[in-house]
Amino acid sequence: DSGVTQTPKHLITATGQRVTLRCSPRSGDLSVYWYQQSLDQGLQFLIQYYNGEERAKGNILERFSAQQFPDLHSELNLSSLELGDSALYFCASSRDRSDEKLFFGSGTQLSVL
Amino acid sequence: EDQVTQSPEALRLQEGESSSLNCSYTVSGLRGLFWYRQDPGKGPEFLFTLYSAGEEKEKERLKATLTKKESFLHITAPKPEDSATYLCAVQVYGDYKLSFGAGTTVTVRA
Repeated sequence: DSGVTQTPKHLITATGQRVTLRCSPRSGDLSVYWYQQSLDQGLQFLIQYYNGEERAKGNILERFSAQQFPDLHSELNLSSLELGDSALYFCASSRDRSDEKLFFGSGTQLSVL
Repeated sequence: EDQVTQSPEALRLQEGESSSLNCSYTVSGLRGLFWYRQDPGKGPEFLFTLYSAGEEKEKERLKATLTKKESFLHITAPKPEDSATYLCAVQVYGDYKLSFGAGTTVTVRA
């Protein structure tokens, strides 16, 4: 158990809908990362937050947004969903903003039908 | 753009049959190279960090090495429980994210 909690584990929704994925980092970790994993793209970095502030942005679509709250949990919001958004979404946390040792959650499997 | 290429895509081994996985990278200003293990339905699990050419790290049957252009993950006398996807990632100076390769899926048969 990595100590990173992601909910829900599975999410099935329809095109055009909006969903929210939630992540609770390990106790004491200030940095949260979101990654998307699909069969054809591999593990792609989306966005990083450090102590409530956005620190780095990757290949995140404009339809996607994220935030980190004062209690350090994070949410990833995906809107106007398309079939191609179906993927496994991982959250990872680390002690500080540049710590390369990431602890990953078990992921949320999103299926857009 | 940073590139990380892993080979082979898949590797089937007999228990006890040692082998190596390759991770080649093209980046500017490598800060570190990382190996993670991912089991089906789980998130990646950290294995090693390598910072400079010539560095080696070991953990049980796994040994990671780094040169200026690639890294190798050697699996010595593997067991079925070593079956997993092994991911390589790089981090460059001035950037916080890890850029992952596509992974090598290792299957060890008893």
